[in-house]
Amino acid sequence: EPEVTQTPSHQVTQMGQEVILRCVPISNHLYFYWYRQILGQKVEFLVSFYNNEISEKSEIFDDQFSVERPDGSNFTLKIRSTKLEDSAMYFCASKGDTMNTEAFFGQGTRLTVV
Amino acid sequence: GESVGLHLPTLSVQEGDNSIINCAYSNSASDYFIWYKQESGKGPQFIIDIRSNMDKRQGQRVTVLLNKTVKHLSLQIAATQPGDSAVYFCAEKGGGGSNYKLTFGKGTLLTVNP
Repeated sequence: EPEVTQTPSHQVTQMGQEVILRCVPISNHLYFYWYRQILGQKVEFLVSFYNNEISEKSEIFDDQFSVERPDGSNFTLKIRSTKLEDSAMYFCASKGDTMNTEAFFGQGTRLTVV
Repeated sequence: GESVGLHLPTLSVQEGDNSIINCAYSNSASDYFIWYKQESGKGPQFIIDIRSNMDKRQGQRVTVLLNKTVKHLSLQIAATQPGDSAVYFCAEKGGGGSNYKLTFGKGTLLTVNP
């Protein structure tokens, strides 16, 4: 069964460092997302990406965040200068070409900023 | 503003019993709803969805009910099994005119006792 894959599963970084979280969405999907989940809290929307551009972003997704689909298969989230409060699980998701269909989530990357 | 919330943070049931998990939403513009299951350390896993033009949808052992009059969503799990133990999130699409993002509720922890 096709699945969204994310690497690494766990990333530890020092405050102020840049991190890149990687995702390989399901191959025929067209909509791509990043969500995050702070420990014990709900899943929060960060950004959606469609047709090679950001289609929507939340207030969390400030200038320190960026997304890219560099090669037609990978979808990355970059945090330029990490802060302690960026520590969370980051989930990538993708969905197909119909608006009202479910998004499939990856297993997540646990980002720990120290 | 938009919000999706759950009535109960925890639910404990006996194996074999039926479970009902509830969710309230505030945005009448929401047009699509999904229930996700999240096991510890994993990403959200799709369970069932429902569009706003429907009142009920059934899957394997699960049923979702949508009451648009009171903006209420429920997930019914028949013959609950230990493997059903997880956090269950409802999510909505279309809040605030968004066509892309899902807004998640806080989650209900379901514990199934053998």
